[in-house]
Amino acid sequence: KAGVTQTPRYLIKTRGQQVTLSCSPISGHRSVSWYQQTPGQGLQFLFEYFSETQRNKGNFPGRFSGRQFSNSRSEMNVSTLELGDSALYLCASSWHNVNTEAFFGQGTRLTVV
Amino acid sequence: SQELEQSPQSLIVQEGKNLTINCTSSKTLYGLYWYKQKYGEGLIFLMMLQKGGEEKSHEKITAKLDEKKQQSSLHITASQPSHAGIYLCGAVHHQFARAGGTSYGKLTFGQGTILTVHP
Repeated sequence: KAGVTQTPRYLIKTRGQQVTLSCSPISGHRSVSWYQQTPGQGLQFLFEYFSETQRNKGNFPGRFSGRQFSNSRSEMNVSTLELGDSALYLCASSWHNVNTEAFFGQGTRLTVV
Repeated sequence: SQELEQSPQSLIVQEGKNLTINCTSSKTLYGLYWYKQKYGEGLIFLMMLQKGGEEKSHEKITAKLDEKKQQSSLHITASQPSHAGIYLCGAVHHQFARAGGTSYGKLTFGQGTILTVHP
């Protein structure tokens, strides 16, 4: 069974640009969560999608958005990039999410210059 | 203050030694996940604990959940260099309930414990 796949693995963007990251969950998993990891703040929850619906959202500005497709693949978008958005973005996949095993992808390393 | 505190922040041990990492929550725990991470990479799922007193083991790693203390411990027996990495605990702080509940998807993570194992 294939694991959680995140693409691309690395990205370099310029301040002010926008970026889209992709996450393909484990087959059969319907819940996808996104996290931002930085040295200063650690792992912080961005949002969660289940069956194409956003069920939960963390405390991030509106520049961070996401969506989920009917095949459970998810994308997150960050508009008007700031230097502080440089981070490792991780997605987690689970069958239902509530107290079920959650598996993470390898992450996308975003560098904003 | 942190909702989830891990201790110690870093740990250096000699190969073959046992070690314990603790994770203490300031809020009620409805689930506790343990992950391992190599720097800059994704998180590797280790174990999920749900019930007070629950204990799970995988190879040389054992995790326990003490519901009364709102605490979990991760114990590694006879450590090996392959155990080196960053260990993270993630908590479910909200009880799953009716639609509109805020528990979905959100794990609150500790700051991590950096483990170094010297051969």
